[in-house]
Amino acid sequence: AQKITQTQPGMFVQEKEAVTLDCTYDTSDPSYGLFWYKQPSSGEMIFLIYQGSYDQQNATEGRYSLNFQKARKSANLVISASQLGDSAMYFCAMREGQNQGGKLIFGQGTELSVKP
Amino acid sequence: KAGVTQTPRYLIKTRGQQVTLSCSPISGHRSVSWYQQTPGQGLQFLFEYFSETQRNKGNFPGRFSGRQFSNSRSEMNVSTLELGDSALYLCASSAGYATGELFFGEGSRLTVL
Repeated sequence: AQKITQTQPGMFVQEKEAVTLDCTYDTSDPSYGLFWYKQPSSGEMIFLIYQGSYDQQNATEGRYSLNFQKARKSANLVISASQLGDSAMYFCAMREGQNQGGKLIFGQGTELSVKP
Repeated sequence: KAGVTQTPRYLIKTRGQQVTLSCSPISGHRSVSWYQQTPGQGLQFLFEYFSETQRNKGNFPGRFSGRQFSNSRSEMNVSTLELGDSALYLCASSAGYATGELFFGEGSRLTVL
């Protein structure tokens, strides 16, 4: 079974509008972390936002927010006021357990295109 | 503060050869993880080194190996290259704790002919 599922292979959004990228996860470990990364065509993975399983509030970082719904095992990324530079691949990832520091499980990604 | 540095950025090898990739983590970070990214399989975890010891390992054959030095720099080696090893190899650096973020380098793009 997929541990991280991103159901949107590609999405379009108009510049200055908000967009939500979906991510669902599957784990039986009570301790886990959820990440979102952006990968432009250059290849570098850029860290966007992190949510721990015990965090009470949804994480926010500038124009990025993570809509964390624990009971539904959902961790959607919301990008507000989209910019042309937001066009890229976006990956949701999970770290399970306490001793998996550098081991992330990634979803297949969503390619976001921002239209002017 | 310098980011994660990977060398070389691009390289071409032929089947049967071996390759060594290098990663210098962010200063002060003790954990280095390696990932393989291909169009078909996506991003897959290879292994993680923390304080010179392999802490986690993914599901890759023994041809893939790595090590970490006392200054936290890491190398990964792939022996007896196969066409399917063509990929972007990404290195990630972190402080090594359960809640720490991972910061990635720009990757080494390997093409096997």
